[in-house]
Amino acid sequence: DQQVKQNSPSLSVQEGRISILNCDYTNSMFDYFLWYKKYPAEGPTFLISISSIKDKNEDGRFTVFLNKSAKHLSLHIVPSQPGDSAVYFCAAGSGGSYIPTFGRGTSLIVHP
Amino acid sequence: SQTIHQWPATLVQPVGSPLSLECTVEGTSNPNLYWYRQAAGRGLQLLFYSVGIGQISSEVPQNLSASRPQDRQFILSSKKLLLSDSGFYLCAWEGPGAKGEQFFGPGTRLTVL
Repeated sequence: DQQVKQNSPSLSVQEGRISILNCDYTNSMFDYFLWYKKYPAEGPTFLISISSIKDKNEDGRFTVFLNKSAKHLSLHIVPSQPGDSAVYFCAAGSGGSYIPTFGRGTSLIVHP
Repeated sequence: SQTIHQWPATLVQPVGSPLSLECTVEGTSNPNLYWYRQAAGRGLQLLFYSVGIGQISSEVPQNLSASRPQDRQFILSSKKLLLSDSGFYLCAWEGPGAKGEQFFGPGTRLTVL
């Protein structure tokens, strides 16, 4: 039973356009959400997070939106660059736990 | 600054052989430590986590084990590897109270033949 779902295994975008990566969750107890980026043969790196008390968090080209009623979050990358090509993992957790639950990832390819 | 080391980077082992993967963290104290496995198309599967020396919690029953002999050392072991143990193993650390923001090592690619 996946509590964090990334239903699109891959996404292809043209350089300069917006990339939107989606994530759905089922556990209403989750109160923090994170996005990680992973290049092949490397460990994931933390990208951006959002607490459940917010609906938007922005860091440069990256913005995460949270819709609690829909149990949905998304990561927007604007403008997309070829160097953004990577696998993006969504993760979520609750304050009482040390352990975030990860989605299966979405592979983003940004074409020059 | 904090750094995390994992070795070896790649490993090819026969079925039935033992395994020992080591992870060390520098520049922080009392981190939470994690072992994950990324199998093809399966995302990140949490295997073990530790909130202190000698404290290990297992998330998935399997033939792997973990130990934390020192504050900043985390070891993943197996007495007899299975083919299904092949994958990309990642160690991560998290500062106390840092909600889910983990820092990952470079990973070990394990192939069991």
